[in-house]
Amino acid sequence: QKEVEQNSGPLSVPEGAIASLNCTYSDRGSQSFFWYRQYSGKSPELIMFIYSNGDKEDGRFTAQLNKASQYVSLLIRDSQPSDSATYLCAAPGDQKLVFGTGTRLLVSP
Amino acid sequence: DAGVTQSPTHLIKTRGQHVTLRCSPISGHKSVSWYQQVLGQGPQFIFQYYEKEERGRGNFPDRFSARQFPNYSSELNVNALLLGDSALYLCASSLEYAGKSNQPQHFGDGTRLSIL
Repeated sequence: QKEVEQNSGPLSVPEGAIASLNCTYSDRGSQSFFWYRQYSGKSPELIMFIYSNGDKEDGRFTAQLNKASQYVSLLIRDSQPSDSATYLCAAPGDQKLVFGTGTRLLVSP
Repeated sequence: DAGVTQSPTHLIKTRGQHVTLRCSPISGHKSVSWYQQVLGQGPQFIFQYYEKEERGRGNFPDRFSARQFPNYSSELNVNALLLGDSALYLCASSLEYAGKSNQPQHFGDGTRLSIL
Protein backbone atom coordinates (compact mmCIF):
# COMPACT_ATOMS: atom_id res chain seq x y z
CA GLN A 1 0.00 0.00 0.00
CA LYS A 2 1.57 3.23 -1.15
CA GLU A 3 1.79 5.80 1.64
CA VAL A 4 2.72 9.44 1.67
CA GLU A 5 3.48 11.16 4.96
CA GLN A 6 3.65 14.79 5.89
CA ASN A 7 3.96 16.71 9.13
CA SER A 8 0.61 18.41 9.66
CA GLY A 9 2.23 21.52 11.14
CA PRO A 10 1.56 24.33 11.38
CA LEU A 11 4.87 25.53 10.04
CA SER A 12 5.26 29.19 10.94
CA VAL A 13 7.72 31.42 9.08
CA PRO A 14 8.13 35.20 8.91
CA GLU A 15 7.47 37.07 5.69
CA GLY A 16 10.48 36.95 3.38
CA ALA A 17 11.89 33.72 4.84
CA ILE A 18 12.28 30.37 3.10
CA ALA A 19 9.58 27.84 3.94
CA SER A 20 10.62 24.20 3.68
CA LEU A 21 7.90 21.56 3.42
CA ASN A 22 8.75 17.87 3.46
CA CYS A 23 7.11 14.65 2.42
CA THR A 24 8.27 11.03 2.76
CA TYR A 25 6.93 8.07 0.86
CA SER A 26 6.92 4.34 1.28
CA ASP A 27 7.03 3.03 -2.30
CA ARG A 28 10.57 2.91 -3.65
CA GLY A 29 9.09 2.56 -7.12
CA SER A 30 7.43 5.98 -7.04
CA GLN A 31 8.70 7.96 -10.00
CA SER A 32 7.02 11.31 -9.62
CA PHE A 33 5.27 13.62 -7.22
CA PHE A 34 2.85 16.50 -7.27
CA TRP A 35 2.56 19.42 -4.88
CA TYR A 36 -0.85 20.99 -4.42
CA ARG A 37 -1.73 24.13 -2.49
CA GLN A 38 -5.09 24.29 -0.74
CA TYR A 39 -6.43 27.47 0.79
CA SER A 40 -8.91 27.07 3.62
CA GLY A 41 -12.31 26.09 2.28
CA LYS A 42 -11.02 25.78 -1.28
CA SER A 43 -9.97 22.90 -3.51
CA PRO A 44 -6.38 21.76 -4.15
CA GLU A 45 -4.48 23.69 -6.81
CA LEU A 46 -1.56 22.07 -8.64
CA ILE A 47 1.63 24.08 -8.17
CA MET A 48 4.54 21.73 -8.94
CA PHE A 49 5.31 18.40 -10.58
CA ILE A 50 8.66 16.67 -10.21
CA TYR A 51 9.65 13.52 -12.05
CA SER A 52 13.38 13.02 -11.65
CA ASN A 53 15.96 13.22 -8.92
CA GLY A 54 17.23 16.67 -8.13
CA ASP A 55 15.63 20.08 -8.15
CA LYS A 56 12.94 21.70 -10.22
CA GLU A 57 12.39 25.42 -9.97
CA ASP A 58 9.34 27.49 -10.89
CA GLY A 59 9.41 31.09 -9.74
CA ARG A 60 9.65 31.19 -5.96
CA PHE A 61 8.98 27.45 -5.71
CA THR A 62 11.61 24.70 -5.83
CA ALA A 63 10.73 21.01 -5.59
CA GLN A 64 13.42 18.54 -4.62
CA LEU A 65 13.22 14.77 -5.06
CA ASN A 66 15.61 12.36 -3.39
CA LYS A 67 14.71 8.83 -4.43
CA ALA A 68 17.48 7.19 -2.40
CA SER A 69 16.14 8.70 0.83
CA GLN A 70 12.52 8.56 -0.31
CA TYR A 71 11.63 12.13 0.38
CA VAL A 72 10.39 15.05 -1.63
CA SER A 73 10.40 18.64 -0.49
CA LEU A 74 8.99 21.99 -1.52
CA LEU A 75 10.89 25.21 -0.83
CA ILE A 76 9.13 28.54 -1.02
CA ARG A 77 11.51 31.48 -1.22
CA ASP A 78 10.58 34.99 -0.09
CA SER A 79 7.45 33.66 1.63
CA GLN A 80 4.43 35.93 1.54
CA PRO A 81 1.34 35.99 3.77
CA SER A 82 -0.61 34.94 0.67
CA ASP A 83 1.37 31.66 0.73
CA SER A 84 -0.42 30.71 3.97
CA ALA A 85 -2.26 27.53 3.04
CA THR A 86 -2.08 23.76 3.37
CA TYR A 87 0.41 22.10 1.04
CA LEU A 88 -0.41 18.57 -0.09
CA CYS A 89 2.13 16.13 -1.45
CA ALA A 90 0.73 13.46 -3.80
CA ALA A 91 2.16 10.40 -5.51
CA PRO A 92 0.58 8.62 -8.49
CA GLY A 93 -0.64 5.17 -7.53
CA ASP A 94 -2.79 2.58 -9.23
CA GLN A 95 -5.62 4.56 -10.86
CA LYS A 96 -5.33 7.44 -8.40
CA LEU A 97 -3.28 10.02 -6.58
CA VAL A 98 -2.24 9.13 -3.04
CA PHE A 99 -2.16 12.23 -0.86
CA GLY A 100 -0.44 13.04 2.37
CA THR A 101 -2.42 14.75 5.09
CA GLY A 102 -0.93 18.11 4.14
CA THR A 103 1.25 20.62 5.98
CA ARG A 104 -0.30 23.86 7.09
CA LEU A 105 1.96 26.86 6.41
CA LEU A 106 1.50 30.17 8.21
CA VAL A 107 3.47 33.18 6.96
CA SER A 108 3.37 36.10 9.36
CA PRO A 109 3.81 39.72 8.17
CA ASP B 1 -11.06 27.74 -20.96
CA ALA B 2 -13.31 26.55 -18.17
CA GLY B 3 -11.75 24.43 -15.48
CA VAL B 4 -13.40 21.51 -13.74
CA THR B 5 -16.89 22.50 -12.69
CA GLN B 6 -18.89 20.87 -9.92
CA SER B 7 -22.43 21.28 -8.74
CA PRO B 8 -23.91 21.98 -6.35
CA THR B 9 -21.38 23.89 -4.25
CA HIS B 10 -23.12 23.15 -0.97
CA LEU B 11 -25.69 20.58 0.02
CA ILE B 12 -27.44 19.74 3.27
CA LYS B 13 -29.09 16.34 3.63
CA THR B 14 -30.41 14.18 6.44
CA ARG B 15 -29.40 10.67 7.35
CA GLY B 16 -30.82 8.02 5.06
CA GLN B 17 -31.31 10.30 2.08
CA HIS B 18 -29.39 9.98 -1.13
CA VAL B 19 -27.41 12.57 -3.05
CA THR B 20 -26.14 13.10 -6.59
CA LEU B 21 -23.10 15.25 -7.23
CA ARG B 22 -22.12 16.39 -10.72
CA CYS B 23 -18.84 17.17 -12.41
CA SER B 24 -17.80 18.48 -15.82
CA PRO B 25 -14.13 17.94 -16.68
CA ILE B 26 -11.82 20.31 -18.47
CA SER B 27 -12.57 20.23 -22.18
CA GLY B 28 -10.64 17.40 -23.82
CA HIS B 29 -9.99 15.53 -20.57
CA LYS B 30 -11.13 11.93 -20.66
CA SER B 31 -10.56 10.91 -17.05
CA VAL B 32 -12.64 11.94 -14.07
CA SER B 33 -11.79 10.98 -10.51
CA TRP B 34 -13.74 11.52 -7.32
CA TYR B 35 -12.18 12.15 -3.92
CA GLN B 36 -13.57 12.67 -0.44
CA GLN B 37 -11.81 15.09 1.88
CA VAL B 38 -12.63 15.43 5.56
CA LEU B 39 -11.25 18.26 7.67
CA GLY B 40 -7.58 17.91 8.44
CA GLN B 41 -6.98 15.07 5.99
CA GLY B 42 -5.79 14.76 2.44
CA PRO B 43 -8.24 13.76 -0.29
CA GLN B 44 -9.17 10.07 -0.30
CA PHE B 45 -9.77 8.34 -3.61
CA ILE B 46 -13.29 7.09 -4.35
CA PHE B 47 -13.49 6.36 -8.10
CA GLN B 48 -11.79 6.94 -11.41
CA TYR B 49 -13.63 6.81 -14.70
CA TYR B 50 -11.71 6.81 -17.94
CA GLU B 51 -13.39 6.64 -21.33
CA LYS B 52 -16.72 5.99 -19.58
CA GLU B 53 -15.51 2.89 -17.76
CA GLU B 54 -14.72 2.49 -14.09
CA ARG B 55 -10.95 2.12 -13.85
CA GLY B 56 -10.45 2.27 -10.12
CA ARG B 57 -12.34 2.16 -6.88
CA GLY B 58 -11.17 3.16 -3.43
CA ASN B 59 -12.09 1.69 -0.08
CA PHE B 60 -15.65 3.01 0.08
CA PRO B 61 -18.88 1.04 0.66
CA ASP B 62 -21.29 0.06 -2.09
CA ARG B 63 -23.48 3.01 -1.11
CA PHE B 64 -21.13 5.03 -3.27
CA SER B 65 -21.51 4.72 -7.03
CA ALA B 66 -20.61 6.78 -10.03
CA ARG B 67 -20.83 6.92 -13.78
CA GLN B 68 -19.37 8.83 -16.69
CA PHE B 69 -21.40 10.04 -19.62
CA PRO B 70 -20.50 10.16 -23.34
CA ASN B 71 -19.52 13.83 -22.97
CA TYR B 72 -17.11 12.76 -20.16
CA SER B 73 -19.08 14.49 -17.41
CA SER B 74 -19.66 12.40 -14.32
CA GLU B 75 -22.03 11.85 -11.44
CA LEU B 76 -21.28 10.56 -7.96
CA ASN B 77 -24.20 9.01 -6.11
CA VAL B 78 -24.30 8.25 -2.42
CA ASN B 79 -27.22 6.31 -0.95
CA ALA B 80 -28.38 5.89 2.65
CA LEU B 81 -26.37 8.86 3.85
CA LEU B 82 -24.60 8.64 7.18
CA LEU B 83 -23.31 11.42 9.40
CA GLY B 84 -19.79 10.32 8.50
CA ASP B 85 -20.40 11.14 4.85
CA SER B 86 -20.16 14.84 5.69
CA ALA B 87 -17.13 16.03 3.74
CA LEU B 88 -15.86 18.00 0.79
CA TYR B 89 -16.31 15.94 -2.38
CA LEU B 90 -13.78 16.77 -5.04
CA CYS B 91 -13.82 15.95 -8.70
CA ALA B 92 -10.56 15.93 -10.63
CA SER B 93 -9.95 15.55 -14.33
CA SER B 94 -6.90 14.57 -16.30
CA LEU B 95 -6.14 14.35 -19.98
CA GLU B 96 -5.43 10.66 -19.91
CA TYR B 97 -5.72 7.71 -17.56
CA ALA B 98 -4.87 8.95 -14.08
CA GLY B 99 -2.64 5.99 -13.23
CA LYS B 100 0.19 7.28 -15.39
CA SER B 101 3.04 8.73 -13.38
CA ASN B 102 3.19 12.02 -15.26
CA GLN B 103 -0.53 12.68 -15.45
CA PRO B 104 -1.56 15.67 -13.33
CA GLN B 105 -5.10 15.93 -12.01
CA HIS B 106 -6.90 19.25 -11.83
CA PHE B 107 -9.56 19.74 -9.21
CA GLY B 108 -12.91 21.45 -9.23
CA ASP B 109 -14.08 23.68 -6.39
CA GLY B 110 -15.81 20.76 -4.71
CA THR B 111 -19.21 20.10 -3.21
CA ARG B 112 -19.47 20.53 0.52
CA LEU B 113 -21.94 17.96 1.81
CA SER B 114 -23.36 18.24 5.30
CA ILE B 115 -25.44 15.47 6.81
CA LEU B 116 -27.76 16.35 9.69
